[in-house]
Amino acid sequence: EIVLTQSPGTLSLSPGERATLSCRASQSLSTYLAWYQQKPGQAPRLLIYDASSRATGIPDRFSGSGSGTDFTLTISSLEPEDFAVYYCQHFGTSLWTFGQGTKVEIK
Amino acid sequence: QVQLVESGGGVVHPGGSLSLSCATSGFSFSIYGLHWVRQAPGKGLEWVAYVRFDGVDKRYGDSVKGRFTISRDYSRHTLSLQMNSLRPEDTAVYYCAQDLTSGGGKYFQNWGQGTLVTVSS
Repeated sequence: EIVLTQSPGTLSLSPGERATLSCRASQSLSTYLAWYQQKPGQAPRLLIYDASSRATGIPDRFSGSGSGTDFTLTISSLEPEDFAVYYCQHFGTSLWTFGQGTKVEIK
Repeated sequence: QVQLVESGGGVVHPGGSLSLSCATSGFSFSIYGLHWVRQAPGKGLEWVAYVRFDGVDKRYGDSVKGRFTISRDYSRHTLSLQMNSLRPEDTAVYYCAQDLTSGGGKYFQNWGQGTLVTVSS
């Protein structure tokens, strides 16, 4: 079973700053990785799939990169609505796996 | 637009049963896989179960295998989750989610608002 480890656990930044979130896999994923955003009391929202493809309606300040075991979600300039928890997710060998999440909080 | 609306959550004793439903609309029900994903209070996301677009292929997470059953109703465009032998650790918000792509997908495109299941004596 593949394990996804996200870092850091919490990222404290100010609006306008750049956010860099990491997701590391215990085995190679090729590029089969997605990123989701979740705000308190809301369902998750798909941001990025296949490591670097933006989902419909997602602003271009969100970008994804990486392959194999190391993946990155970058938010180029944080907007107030971007402060949330972010999860990475992979599908492989008949099951779907999430990372434990990174909280992006206002500094 | 796509809508997924869960219902059926509530409080149940350990060892009890509960059935969740997810009413769907706004997409071609018969060509998308559907999932249940849960989130324990204050915790992360955990995939629970999947049913393929044709209803034939069903998969379960290890923590619920043998206790939960996923199904879909093509006439009512509804997804269901029958949960038996419930444990306190099954306490969570349960979300239904739609595959990103038709025919079989790796990711979750659309989500419902969730329904809370509490297992407690």
